[in-house]
Amino acid sequence: QVTLKESGPVLVKPTETLTVTCTVSGFSFNNPKMGVAWIRQPPGKALEWLAHIFSSDEKSYNTSLKSRLTISKDTSKSQVVLIMTNMHPVDTATYYCARISLFTVTIFNAFDVWGQGTLVTVSS
Amino acid sequence: DIQMTQSPSSLSAGVGDRVTISCRASQTISKFLNWYQQKPGRAPKVLISAASSLQSGVPSRFSGSGSGTDFTLTITSLQPEDFATYYCQQSYSTPLTFGGGTRVEIK
Repeated sequence: QVTLKESGPVLVKPTETLTVTCTVSGFSFNNPKMGVAWIRQPPGKALEWLAHIFSSDEKSYNTSLKSRLTISKDTSKSQVVLIMTNMHPVDTATYYCARISLFTVTIFNAFDVWGQGTLVTVSS
Repeated sequence: DIQMTQSPSSLSAGVGDRVTISCRASQTISKFLNWYQQKPGRAPKVLISAASSLQSGVPSRFSGSGSGTDFTLTITSLQPEDFATYYCQQSYSTPLTFGGGTRVEIK
């Protein structure tokens, strides 16, 4: 059974850096076609893809947030970490990680397995 | 970036009704359009991938169609458990993008 679970702080202050971790089980990080994505959802609003990383260490970032995001993986721990700097109240959201796979080198399949999400509030 | 536009943003329907949700991409995405269902307080769940491929375990009353820039999600005979928000998402190219969502409410 494939599972993903997010962990991280519930509350961060404006200008601080957010670090959220996704711990996965049930699929191999060594599979070159498998990757993990981060997606967020502000309360009452739509989903927004943030970044993804594949076992090859290939990464991709949301265009408007690219300067603030860093995604990395620790294969030995089966974890993917997302760092977002300079947090603002508008970054208050539920942060999800999800599995993604390659259809071709540049085309992707759907996010087929999701974590439960972790709500992060940005407030002083 | 490819913009995804869903319509309507919300709709009211009754049990047994046929529901159609549209999704338009700002440029061609071939067949690489996915549909998700999200219920309050829950993570999204993929219903349909690659425009028309029904995911395992998803009821056959859900179907998807379209290619290029215009896509449709259809629910025939809406059931009580189908009241939720539906999102389309293109997986053709990065940055990956979602539509704004369609909330399906009880009439």
